[in-house]
Amino acid sequence: SAVISQKPSRDICQRGTSLTIQCQVDSQVTMMFWYRQQPGQSLTLIATANQGSEATYESGFVIDKFPISRPNLTFSTLTVSNMSPEDSSIYLCSVRVAGLTGELFFGEGSRLTVL
Amino acid sequence: GNSVTQMEGPVTLSEEAFLTINCTYTATGYPSLFWYVQYPGEGLQLLLKATKADDKGSNKGFEATYRKETTSFHLEKGSVQVSDSAVYFCALSDPRTGANNLFFGTGTRLTVIP
Repeated sequence: SAVISQKPSRDICQRGTSLTIQCQVDSQVTMMFWYRQQPGQSLTLIATANQGSEATYESGFVIDKFPISRPNLTFSTLTVSNMSPEDSSIYLCSVRVAGLTGELFFGEGSRLTVL
Repeated sequence: GNSVTQMEGPVTLSEEAFLTINCTYTATGYPSLFWYVQYPGEGLQLLLKATKADDKGSNKGFEATYRKETTSFHLEKGSVQVSDSAVYFCALSDPRTGANNLFFGTGTRLTVIP
């Protein structure tokens, strides 16, 4: 398994500002993902964080809005840029561990409220 | 493509009642299937999984059987407790199609009352 630390755990932000969320894993993992969970809804994949290169974004998500870095195997950041109230969500870091069949491990999430 | 259809909630049960949460899937390949649980204020935790047809995943008294013929993976528990109150997500992973992420259902909120 993997232990995933995310911070901040929650924040209240002003419209138009940007916030960076950090994700640290305690072991080397094969893949890292960022998901969004809007209030009362399921999880939507934002992007796959690639080590040392640009992230791979899903349809509907763009780098200018959600820049992602992954400088090494165990750390990644997600920035939510120029925030609006519609960005109020829980953002979850997720990892895949080598040798395990398909499942993902999740951090506790970062709950953002944009005023 | 890949998708998961999950029983809509919320579900409210009395303690010691029997629980079933339905989940059906559509996949282009041979997926692995999962149930995740999200307790209030926490992230998602893997509850159980099954990687091939007829496999039964089980954990903490919960069970789900991978049924290829009905493309289902229903979650069951014989006697729920107040501490089982959470949101439950059914998910699939189909790495053979090149998709490395999980596809999630919409989640089912379970509330167990004493």
